Amino acid sequence: KQEVTQIPAALSVPEGENLVLNCSFTDSAIYNLQWFRQDPGKGLTSLLLIQSSQREQTSGRLNASLDKSSGRSTLYIAASQPGDSATYLCAVRVSMKTSYDKVIFGPGTSLSVIP
Amino acid sequence: KAGVTQTPRYLIKTRGQQVTLSCSPISGHRSVSWYQQTPGQGLQFLFEYFSETQRNKGNFPGRFSGRQFSNSRSEMNVSTLELGDSALYLCASSLNSMNMENTEAFFGQGTRLTVV
Repeated sequence: KQEVTQIPAALSVPEGENLVLNCSFTDSAIYNLQWFRQDPGKGLTSLLLIQSSQREQTSGRLNASLDKSSGRSTLYIAASQPGDSATYLCAVRVSMKTSYDKVIFGPGTSLSVIP
Repeated sequence: KAGVTQTPRYLIKTRGQQVTLSCSPISGHRSVSWYQQTPGQGLQFLFEYFSETQRNKGNFPGRFSGRQFSNSRSEMNVSTLELGDSALYLCASSLNSMNMENTEAFFGQGTRLTVV
C-alpha cells in the first residue's frame, strides 16, 4: 500500500533563507509526483509536476527533484519570502490494480517565512 | 482558460439536512475527483468520476455520493449531515489522457461546509 510522508511537519525560517522540504513514498511504482501549495482555507495550487522518467523540474525559485529508487522527492525554495508562507503538499499518482490511477497525498509541511 | 470552479464557496447546514456541491472542471478535462479536508485527517479521497462513471471510491459512508454529467461537471451530495461532515471539500480535475505520467491535477478553491 502506497504511503506518503512529509518532513518536517512545520518549518519556520527567516526571510531570504534557502530551504528544503522533503517527501517520501513507500512504493516506487508511480506515474508522477506533484507539489502543491495551499493557503489557509483555500484550494491547492499546483507548483511542479515531475514525471516518473524525470529527475527534476524547475519553476522560478522552486526546484523539485525525484529519486524513485529511494522513494524521495525534495522541494527546494530559494531566497524565501514571506509570501511563500503556506502549507506545501506532495502527491503521487499511482496505478491501482483493480481500477485506474489514483492520487495519494502527504500530510503537508506548514512553512512560515519570518520577515 | 478558466480554472476549476466550485460552488458555493461557503455553506452552513444543520444536522440531518442534505447538501449538494458543484464542481465545473477545466474545459476539456474529463476526470473529476473529490476530497474532504479536515484539520485532523488531512486530505481524504472521496471518489473520482470519468466520463460520467465512478472509477474510484474512498472509504466514506454511503451518505456521500456523486455524479458527473455529460459536460463533465460534477456534483457531490451528502445526505443526513453530521457535525463531523464539517470540512473543506475540494474538487480536482485532470485531462487524464493515456499518458498517465503527464496527468496533472488542478484544484478548485473548495467549498467550506459547516454543519451546526
